[in-house]
Amino acid sequence: SYMVTQPPSESVAPGQTARITCEGKNIATKSVHWYGQQPGQAPVLVVYDDSDRPSGIPERISASNSGNTATLTIRRVEAGDEADYFCQVCDTGSDQRFVFGSGTKVTVL
Amino acid sequence: QVQLQQSGPGLLKPSQILALTCAISGDNVSNNTTTWNWLRQSPSRGLEWLGRTSYRSKWFNDYAVSLKGRITINPDTSKNQFSLQLNSVAPDDTAVYFCARESQRTPEAFDVWGQGTMVIVSS
Repeated sequence: SYMVTQPPSESVAPGQTARITCEGKNIATKSVHWYGQQPGQAPVLVVYDDSDRPSGIPERISASNSGNTATLTIRRVEAGDEADYFCQVCDTGSDQRFVFGSGTKVTVL
Repeated sequence: QVQLQQSGPGLLKPSQILALTCAISGDNVSNNTTTWNWLRQSPSRGLEWLGRTSYRSKWFNDYAVSLKGRITINPDTSKNQFSLQLNSVAPDDTAVYFCARESQRTPEAFDVWGQGTMVIVSS
């Protein structure tokens, strides 16, 4: 079944740019969705269909998908951006129709 | 604004039945452009999709292969909610359980989530 891989952690100074990758075989052929999760809370959809933002998500959050890597970019990082970020794809051939990455913990220094 | 409110017990013994409910406000469980899902999250398994129910002229259910035979998701149109039943739980089923919506606006993604329910399976 399909698998996606994320780095476990990313540290970034306030005001700088955080980039979180999600690697999977030919992931560019799939729609990638991204979630942010604060401790003790439910995930929140921050990007869907590779690069679209739901209403209420700031423009400094963007994403792309090419080749074997999808990337979530958070510009002008703020303390409130500190969270776990998960990528997710749909794969009908997998045991689970929806496949999640293991998450990347973003720490704001 | 769509909201999902979860309810159900959080402590179970091995072999018991896990039963959770997700009440919907601001949308309808019979909406033919949405699916209603259950997921769980644990340190060992990460985020894991369990299954879903949807209405497309009739009701359809779809479950993770690893849980087939143990899991049932049912809609309740009279109360505008849907439920999760997981039979014969084991300690490995300990996790935070979430209900979530997949809508036509964000296909294949979960745009609304319940608050989560911590379920502990222990003797």
